[in-house]
Amino acid sequence: EAGVAQSPRYKIIEKRQSVAFWCNPISGHATLYWYQQILGQGPKLLIQFQNNGVVDDSQLPKDRFSAERLKGVDSTLKIQPAKLEDSAVYLCASSITGIYGNTIYFGEGSWLTVV
Amino acid sequence: AQSVTQLDSHVSVSEGTPVLLRCNYSSSYSPSLFWYVQHPNKGLQLLLKYTSAATLVKGINGFEAEFKKSETSFHLTKPSAHMSDAAEYFCVVSGITGGGNKLTFGTGTQLKVEL
Repeated sequence: EAGVAQSPRYKIIEKRQSVAFWCNPISGHATLYWYQQILGQGPKLLIQFQNNGVVDDSQLPKDRFSAERLKGVDSTLKIQPAKLEDSAVYLCASSITGIYGNTIYFGEGSWLTVV
Repeated sequence: AQSVTQLDSHVSVSEGTPVLLRCNYSSSYSPSLFWYVQHPNKGLQLLLKYTSAATLVKGINGFEAEFKKSETSFHLTKPSAHMSDAAEYFCVVSGITGGGNKLTFGTGTQLKVEL
């Protein structure tokens, strides 16, 4: 079974530039998550989708971050304009449903460095 | 509200000796608990999970964890460490939000295994 796919794996951009990350979840998984992991910290949820609807985006900095999952399958996370503090690993994850206790599977992450 | 505390940021053991990574949780609900491992430059891999069945949970690579409600703990153990176990380990609690399943991560424990 294929896992959660993410691209690009690595990206270096200058501050104030924009960047987009793509995620393809495990086939059949209705719930998709984007997490931000800053070096030395645990991942923090940015946004959770159930099919193509947003379930939780309370910690997404909406002035610069946006995410979409138009057809309920793959998803794109965009940052515009980027700040130095956005340097982090962006992890995409998916689960069969959003039901409590479901296992969440993670991709290998997209590593962003803002200089 | 839910939270998880990993009591040690770094643990160092010798190869072949036991591993103990400590985790305490707080949850308003009967929680689901997970341990994930993250090797350098890799995504998060599920080691094991507890979802109100047996309190002693066995995972991959010889790891296991015991859920102790009276102590609100979910410590991860392994009888004999291997060099390949060197990684960062995250204790995670899953709880119900308005939108469903939400993971809250601990700050991680870096495990070092020495010859």
